[in-house]
Amino acid sequence: DAKTTQPPSMDCAEGRAANLPCNHSTISGNEYVYWYRQIHSQGPQYIIHGLKNNETNEMASLIITEDRKSSTLILPHATLRDTAVYYCIVRVSGAGSYQLTFGKGTKLSVIP
Amino acid sequence: EPEVTQTPSHQVTQMGQEVILRCVPISNHLYFYWYRQILGQKVEFLVSFYNNEISEKSEIFDDQFSVERPDGSNFTLKIRSTKLEDSAMYFCASRAGTGIPVAYEQYFGPGTRLTVT
Repeated sequence: DAKTTQPPSMDCAEGRAANLPCNHSTISGNEYVYWYRQIHSQGPQYIIHGLKNNETNEMASLIITEDRKSSTLILPHATLRDTAVYYCIVRVSGAGSYQLTFGKGTKLSVIP
Repeated sequence: EPEVTQTPSHQVTQMGQEVILRCVPISNHLYFYWYRQILGQKVEFLVSFYNNEISEKSEIFDDQFSVERPDGSNFTLKIRSTKLEDSAMYFCASRAGTGIPVAYEQYFGPGTRLTVT
């Protein structure tokens, strides 16, 4: 699976959009980009995933660049409850058991 | 909304004792996982389970660990002889693995905090 690079921490004002970047320059054509988050010591929570098109669900939007070498997770109106560590994970689909390899992620602090 | 549940939320045990951590995955899911997170460290994959057998395991998952799906709902992780370094949060996860397109996202439980003294 391709490696990902994320900033270790970010701040965002409450009510503003939080834009979390992820670099995955060695991604291959059959690898998806997944985003999870972990609030304090809770279990990781699935947010969204995509292959090459931009995706949106009730939690967030995922913007993937045309060359697929980077992506941005967007929380449109961050709340205090969005304070968490956000993980960008690149994963091959179509083979294997799909275990997740977590990095250190980005610690997002939403500030009142 | 269906969710993964885990019991107990906190388990304290003495070194050398056996512990069983329990998980109830989401009911129609087919793939099951255990992960652990030592305090302040990354979440680490331990084992995946499908069709009543282990499909993959990490080097952490040595002979002291075992998993079982004893009935149609529970998924357990047994640690045979606990060591101090087994102290961690243990997370169970499940994945549907079906649908069109196939669902690959995993859903995690709240975790069991294991403290070995």
